[in-house]
Amino acid sequence: EDKVVQSPLSLVVHEGDTVTLNCSYEVTNFRSLLWYKQEKKAPTFLFMLTSSGIEKKSGRLSSILDKKELFSILNITATQTGDSAIYLCAHSGGGADGLTFGKGTHLIIQP
Amino acid sequence: NAGVTQTPKFQVLKTGQSMTLQCAQDMNHEYMSWYRQDPGMGLRLIHYSVGAGITDQGEVPNGYNVSRSTTEDFPLRLLSAAPSQTSVYFCASSYQAYSGGARDTQYFGPGTRLTVL
Repeated sequence: EDKVVQSPLSLVVHEGDTVTLNCSYEVTNFRSLLWYKQEKKAPTFLFMLTSSGIEKKSGRLSSILDKKELFSILNITATQTGDSAIYLCAHSGGGADGLTFGKGTHLIIQP
Repeated sequence: NAGVTQTPKFQVLKTGQSMTLQCAQDMNHEYMSWYRQDPGMGLRLIHYSVGAGITDQGEVPNGYNVSRSTTEDFPLRLLSAAPSQTSVYFCASSYQAYSGGARDTQYFGPGTRLTVL
């Protein structure tokens, strides 16, 4: 059974701090790893990672995948209160059976 | 494009009642799926469809039915609601299920918050 484990489950930091969110996975057939941000409603797509060592960046957010050690990290630099959200990591396998999600990291940015 | 739309936004049912959660997408996506999200459990796949007329079960299918008569619509039916089905339900779609790459990206609807008393 595919498994995605995120850590920490919750994190409180101050505005301006840098945070690193972790995602490890144990899967049968790896195809891609995805990061989503969930505020009040639907998860919104951040990154898709398919190759090891290639950093994806979008503004203050970046992510990288290590397929040898089976993990990914999501970095957020110079955090802002608007970064407060649940960050979800998900694996897409070789079949049609959707995404396997981790439980998410609940990030709170204090002013 | 409206993207993925879901109705209703909120629903309260009594145990034993049935209802249908609606999901529609206007992006011509082949792949559609339903997830439920419970506190501390992440999102779990209920059912999915790789195209019109084709559906299959996900991780937690019991108590739910789906059908896919058109590319655009993918309704989720609760046959006889139970308190354990109290959850937030998300519909998602993507271009294809099998091709990999950017087509794996799933786009989520706004969710339906369901309470079963």
